[in-house]
Amino acid sequence: DAMVIQNPRYQVTQFGKPVTLSCSQTLNHNVMYWYQQKSSQAPKLLFHYYDKDFNNEADTPDNFQSRRPNTSFCFLDIRSPGLGDAAMYLCATSQGPYEQYFGPGTRLTVT
Amino acid sequence: AQKITQTQPGMFVQEKEAVTLDCTYDTSDPSYGLFWYKQPSSGEMIFLIYQGSYDQQNATEGRYSLNFQKARKSANLVISASQLGDSAMYFCAMREGNDYKLSFGAGTTVTVRA
Repeated sequence: DAMVIQNPRYQVTQFGKPVTLSCSQTLNHNVMYWYQQKSSQAPKLLFHYYDKDFNNEADTPDNFQSRRPNTSFCFLDIRSPGLGDAAMYLCATSQGPYEQYFGPGTRLTVT
Repeated sequence: AQKITQTQPGMFVQEKEAVTLDCTYDTSDPSYGLFWYKQPSSGEMIFLIYQGSYDQQNATEGRYSLNFQKARKSANLVISASQLGDSAMYFCAMREGNDYKLSFGAGTTVTVRA
């Protein structure tokens, strides 16, 4: 019954060691999003894909990259994680510009 | 300028009572959508309710209703008959025009007391 799945739920990485977070969806939605959420703050959009069209937010650091190999999957790559990148990373999907459905999130710890 | 304002950082409500969460928004686009999400301590954002700017009636979904006052630019969420499981952070969000981006408010933490 799961609709938006994120793996892993918890990820620990070392300072500077590349890490990849994954997201998959069974909703067949055409838009996928990646958000960063720090403690007690609102989610912050990093980028989104409309089909294969990549849209980066202006203030998303170059350290963050994304791939969407097909409709179902989307990956977030953090090339050189810093301590400030420790956060919850939320993946979401939508069909067009309508309600977004979120996955359970991946909590990233950087040591 | 802040697009979504939630002025209540935290609220306590007694079980079985109703609670109203405030949300005001700022946009010059005549076409927009307003959303409420619930985020329990587990972290998942759960979609609750949606109101379109052209919708004539206030949206309702089960125990959730949205008090949409367009002239005042407010979209308050009302949760009726609160349950312990309603304890969570609640975010109001807005989409403008055909933009895919959601602008979120700062959130309101609701704690339901038995």
